[in-house]
Amino acid sequence: AQSVTQLDSQVPVFEEAPVELRCNYSSSVSVYLFWYVQYPNQGLQLLLKYLSGSTLVKGINGFEAEFNKSQTSFHLRKPSVHISDTAEYFCAVRPSGGSYIPTFGRGTSLIVHP
Amino acid sequence: GAGVSQSPSNKVTEKGKDVELRCDPISGHTALYWYRQRLGQGLEFLIYFQGNSAPDKSGLPSDRFSAERTGESVSTLTIQRTQQEDSAVYLCASSPTGTVYGYTFGSGTRLTVV
Repeated sequence: AQSVTQLDSQVPVFEEAPVELRCNYSSSVSVYLFWYVQYPNQGLQLLLKYLSGSTLVKGINGFEAEFNKSQTSFHLRKPSVHISDTAEYFCAVRPSGGSYIPTFGRGTSLIVHP
Repeated sequence: GAGVSQSPSNKVTEKGKDVELRCDPISGHTALYWYRQRLGQGLEFLIYFQGNSAPDKSGLPSDRFSAERTGESVSTLTIQRTQQEDSAVYLCASSPTGTVYGYTFGSGTRLTVV
C-alpha cells in the first residue's frame, strides 16, 4: 500500500512570489506521481506527472515538480504565482505496476494575495 | 463526450432516502473511478472499474454503497438509507487502460443529507 502526505493544509503567498507545495509519499514499490489542481466548484485537472526519466518535471501554467527518490518527495514549485493560481492542489501516487488505483493526499490550499 | 460528465451537480436529500449518482466517462476510457471528498478532506477512494473485469470495491465504506457500470459506459453510484456523514462531493474519473496518462475528473456531485 502507499500513502501520501501533504505537509501544509494551507499556503498563503503574495502575487509574483515563488511558492513550493510539499508532498511526501510512502510506498514499498516504485511509483508514478501526479499533481492535480482543483479550482472552486470544479473537478481535478492534471498539472504534471512523473513516470520515469528526468526527475524534474514541467507541467502546465508554469508549474514544475522534482522527484526525489531518496527523500520520497515530489514537491511542486512555481517561481512566480498569479492570483489565478489560487486553488486546491492534490498530490497523488500509484504503483508503476499492478494496481492502477491512485492514492491522493489531503490537499494544499494555495491562497495568492494581491 | 469531451469530458467526464456527472449528474446531478447538486443533490439534497433527506436522511434515510436512497440516492443515485451518475457518471458518463470519456468515450473509450476503460477505467472508471469513484472518489468521495468530504469538506476539507482529501479524496477517498471508493470503487474502481476496469473494462469487463470484476470491480475493485475495497474502498466502499459500508454495504449501503454500491456501484454499477455497464461495459465501458455509464456508471451509477447508489447510496441507500443515506446518513448525514454521507454528505460530500462525489467525484468520478476515467482513464485509458493502465493509464500513464493521468485521470480525467468530472466536476462532481455535491450531496447534502439533511
